[in-house]
Amino acid sequence: DAKTTQPNSMESNEEEPVHLPCNHSTISGTDYIHWYRQLPSQGPEYVIHGLTSNVNNRMASLAIAEDRKSSTLILHRATLRDAAVYYCIYVTGANNLFFGTGTRLTVIP
Amino acid sequence: DAGVIQSPRHEVTEMGQEVTLRCKPISGHNSLFWYRQTMMRGLELLIYFNNNVPIDDSGMPEDRFSAKMPNASFSTLKIQPSEPRDSAVYFCASSERGRNTGELFFGEGSRLTVL
Repeated sequence: DAKTTQPNSMESNEEEPVHLPCNHSTISGTDYIHWYRQLPSQGPEYVIHGLTSNVNNRMASLAIAEDRKSSTLILHRATLRDAAVYYCIYVTGANNLFFGTGTRLTVIP
Repeated sequence: DAGVIQSPRHEVTEMGQEVTLRCKPISGHNSLFWYRQTMMRGLELLIYFNNNVPIDDSGMPEDRFSAKMPNASFSTLKIQPSEPRDSAVYFCASSERGRNTGELFFGEGSRLTVL
């Protein structure tokens, strides 16, 4: 399986920026990096994806290291609704889309 | 768009019974995925269809599990016979393109409890 490494949990104060790290040292040059999040009692929700360049959308920003062995999901201002499990994933070859256990983000009011 | 629709949302059954979970993907999406989520193993991909054809079923646990996609708007995941260790939340997801670049849209899941 194509595995990524993420911290099990992180905390952030409300209205503060959050940087969620992910290591993917075995990624190849053509594999996209995806981020999803899962709110309590819901299915995973797409957040953002990228290949080499940094990416921005209405939900978050994705910063990809130059060697592509790591990436960081940036929530610019955490809200209570951002409390969720965040998954960093990629697919290589015929392997599964492996979600792993993700990072549980707690937002403190 | 109604999103990915799964049924039933909750199912409680006894060991040995047959369980059928259903999924309606988003119209126009050509890829469909079945996942299983447990506390112990997290989110696991069971099987992946592209244009109604099973492409990768290496995640299907054993012969008791089977999945079909008779047409572009419907898929089933069947467990026969069910066992307590099959208790989990089963998610269906669909995508417009191949899995490497396409965004996955997940349903709300079917929570299965096998007694």
